[in-house]
Amino acid sequence: DAMVIQNPRYQVTQFGKPVTLSCSQTLNHNVMYWYQQKSSQAPKLLFHYYDKDFNNEADTPDNFQSRRPNTSFCFLDIRSPGLGDAAMYLCATSTRTGADGYTFGSGTRLTVV
Amino acid sequence: AQTVTQSQPEMSVQEAETVTLSCTYDTSESNYYLFWYKQPPSRQMILVIRQEAYKQQNATENRFSVNFQKAAKSFSLKISDSQLGDTAMYFCALDTGTASKLTFGTGTRLQVTL
Repeated sequence: DAMVIQNPRYQVTQFGKPVTLSCSQTLNHNVMYWYQQKSSQAPKLLFHYYDKDFNNEADTPDNFQSRRPNTSFCFLDIRSPGLGDAAMYLCATSTRTGADGYTFGSGTRLTVV
Repeated sequence: AQTVTQSQPEMSVQEAETVTLSCTYDTSESNYYLFWYKQPPSRQMILVIRQEAYKQQNATENRFSVNFQKAAKSFSLKISDSQLGDTAMYFCALDTGTASKLTFGTGTRLQVTL
């Protein structure tokens, strides 16, 4: 089945230690998104790739970076995780127009110790 | 800027009953898409139903249907014959196609009880 896969499902990292979360898709969608979701809150968009074009949200901290080496893969790098970065990170994909809705991965729950 | 408002933080419904979740939105775009997403506890967010703004007919997917009132900018979700598996957080979302970004509401936590 076509899908969006996030690895790992759970990630524990030390305060200040760089961490990378990964996302892959078999849907061949043009657009890939990274969302941060804290407990009982709506997902907050961090950035998205429209093909190779990177689009950063104005309020996304510089601590968060992303890479998309090809259509199928997208990475979220947190350069120096703080306690406030503990959250669920959701990857999603969509077609060019988004008309069919987004397909979400299962998420990576990040814990910072 | 787009906004989506869900005024019901929590709701409860008995199994087999019907429940309606409210959503209002605001956008200056003439064409857009509206969605309801379901996020069960510790599980993946999945699309429940979608509505294209230029279509007058309300979308229906099995037990799920919407009441789309474009002039009032209202987009409510009706769940009929509620099942225990419907217990989840439900998010209303808007996509205007501009930069193709979803704007989410704050969510409604639905509990289905026996």
